[in-house]
Amino acid sequence: GGIITQTPKFLIGQEGQKLTLKCQQNFNHDTMYWYRQDSGKGLRLIYYSITENDLQKGDLSEGYDASREKKSSFSLTVTSAQKNEMAVFLCASSMAGNSDYTFGSGTRLLVI
Amino acid sequence: QEKVQQSPESLIVPEGAMSSLNCTFSNSASQSIWWYQQHPGKGPEALISIFSNGNKKEGRLTVYLNRASLHVSLHIRDSQPSDSAVYLCAVSTYGSSGNKLIFGIGTLLSVKP
Repeated sequence: GGIITQTPKFLIGQEGQKLTLKCQQNFNHDTMYWYRQDSGKGLRLIYYSITENDLQKGDLSEGYDASREKKSSFSLTVTSAQKNEMAVFLCASSMAGNSDYTFGSGTRLLVI
Repeated sequence: QEKVQQSPESLIVPEGAMSSLNCTFSNSASQSIWWYQQHPGKGPEALISIFSNGNKKEGRLTVYLNRASLHVSLHIRDSQPSDSAVYLCAVSTYGSSGNKLIFGIGTLLSVKP
């Protein structure tokens, strides 16, 4: 079986800092996604990538950059962390055109 | 922009009872509807999906879809304490930039022994 790994599991940053979250999958899935999960707001799509070197903006892309340099990895950068920000960032992958996503366990971000 | 609403926000049922969760969506032309289960500290896991009007049964799970009323429901028969989790309804949308899921906020299910 495959696995999708997110690093780090926990991330504490300072206001204004640039922070990078990483995601690796070995399913050979084509499409990868980054979602943000806030209490009371559900999962919101930040960026997704249909294939290597492709990037598509989701509904919440402002304040973030993403990079898909290899098929197996997808990274997300918070360009300027906001004070008191607290959220879980979830990475997912799927075969092209398939809605059966496999999610990682998430990166928990706290900005002080 | 697709909107997905779930009710109730939370649900407490005794062990062995039926759990019923609801979801409404805004676009009748949406593709498939998915239910995901999320335990604390974990990522969501896909449980069951439905595309056509009607119902679909898998084990203790039954899903009902009515596209005319933009409503889908998930029913868990013989609920167990291990079913306690957040249940997320998600609608698949497909466009020129590929496929993506739009999620609801979720229903927190607690099954009491």
